[in-house]
Amino acid sequence: ETGVTQSPTHLIKTRGQQVTLRCSSQSGHNTVSWYQQALGQGPQFIFQYYREEENGRGNFPPRFSGLQFPNYSSELNVNALELDDSALYLCASSPAGQVYGYTFGSGTRLTVV
Amino acid sequence: QQQVKQSPQSLIVQKGGISIINCAYENTAFDYFPWYQQFPGKGPALLIAIRPDVSEKKEGRFTISFNKSAKQFSLHIMDSQPGDSATYFCAASRNAGNMLTFGGGTRLMVKP
Repeated sequence: ETGVTQSPTHLIKTRGQQVTLRCSSQSGHNTVSWYQQALGQGPQFIFQYYREEENGRGNFPPRFSGLQFPNYSSELNVNALELDDSALYLCASSPAGQVYGYTFGSGTRLTVV
Repeated sequence: QQQVKQSPQSLIVQKGGISIINCAYENTAFDYFPWYQQFPGKGPALLIAIRPDVSEKKEGRFTISFNKSAKQFSLHIMDSQPGDSATYFCAASRNAGNMLTFGGGTRLMVKP
């Protein structure tokens, strides 16, 4: 059984650019949630994808968008990057659109310069 | 608005001691309270979780105590070991919902 894998592990982008982060869910999980973890803080919910549709969104602007594919993998896209977008982006997979059984990946460290 | 407040921000405990981390929440609709452990460079991993219909849950050296009337819950790590040194997060969720609200984290260091 494979866990949650995220790519890339580290990324440096320039302010104003766009970035795509990727997540493969754990075997048997059909739901993917994305969180942003700023340095020294707890993770904050961005959104969740269940059955290829957005299933809830946190307090993040529309320039944060996502996709889920038929194999349950997911992408997080961020447009018009700002310096404050620098953070660890965590993906978590779970069964059936809920928080029970959340398994987190190791994250993608995004630095915006 | 921070709905889950966690304290202390950092904690130093001697090996063999008890580590205690506290959380308070505001939203009375929360009904699932997990604790996560995070090592540097890794994602959070679920340690233990509790529902408000019980006041305490124990798994090995880890115990959650829950006080519904005070809207508080805490994590106790008995016989703390250097390998327990990590950042701990409390979290809460509403009605088996689709998101977790995390506390700000506690950085625990266990000295040998």
